[in-house]
Amino acid sequence: EPEVTQTPSHQVTQMGQEVILRCVPISNHLYFYWYRQILGQKVEFLVSFYNNEISEKSEIFDDQFSVERPDGSNFTLKIRSTKLEDSAMYFCASSPWNTEAFFGQGTRLTVV
Amino acid sequence: RKEVEQDPGPFNVPEGATVAFNCTYSNSASQSFFWYRQDCRKEPKLLMSVYSSGNEDGRFTAQLNRASQYISLLIRDSKLSDSATYLCVVKGGGNKLTFGTGTQLKVEL
Repeated sequence: EPEVTQTPSHQVTQMGQEVILRCVPISNHLYFYWYRQILGQKVEFLVSFYNNEISEKSEIFDDQFSVERPDGSNFTLKIRSTKLEDSAMYFCASSPWNTEAFFGQGTRLTVV
Repeated sequence: RKEVEQDPGPFNVPEGATVAFNCTYSNSASQSFFWYRQDCRKEPKLLMSVYSSGNEDGRFTAQLNRASQYISLLIRDSKLSDSATYLCVVKGGGNKLTFGTGTQLKVEL
């Protein structure tokens, strides 16, 4: 069964550093997303990406964040100048149409 | 009012019990509705979409009441493996999924 894959599974970084979280969406899907979940809190939307551009973003997704689809398979989330409060589980998701989304196993980001 | 509201639980039920979860949403323009399941420290997994006519998948039944902005999930004959957090998820006119905080279910022997 096709699945969304994310790397790394766990990333530890020092405050102020830049991190890149990587995702390979399901191959025939058209919509791509990043969500995050701070420990003990709900899943929060960050950004959606369609047709090689951002289609929607949340208030959380400020200038610190950027997304890219550098080739036909990868979808990345870059977080610049990380802060302690960026520590969370980051989930990539994809969907074939603008309907339900299928999630990767997540990258646990720890900022120290 | 929260966009998607759920009773956080936990719901502790014996194996074989029937349990129901409820969810309300605030945006009357919401178009699509889902139940996801999340195990501890894992990704959300789609359990089922929710349709206005109601839909059933094995032991799971979902209902939507657009007038009341209310969604429900019924689990019959619950199994130990059903223990998880159940997430009510709503999609508005755009792309994003809005998640509730989830309802925790613990099925016990």
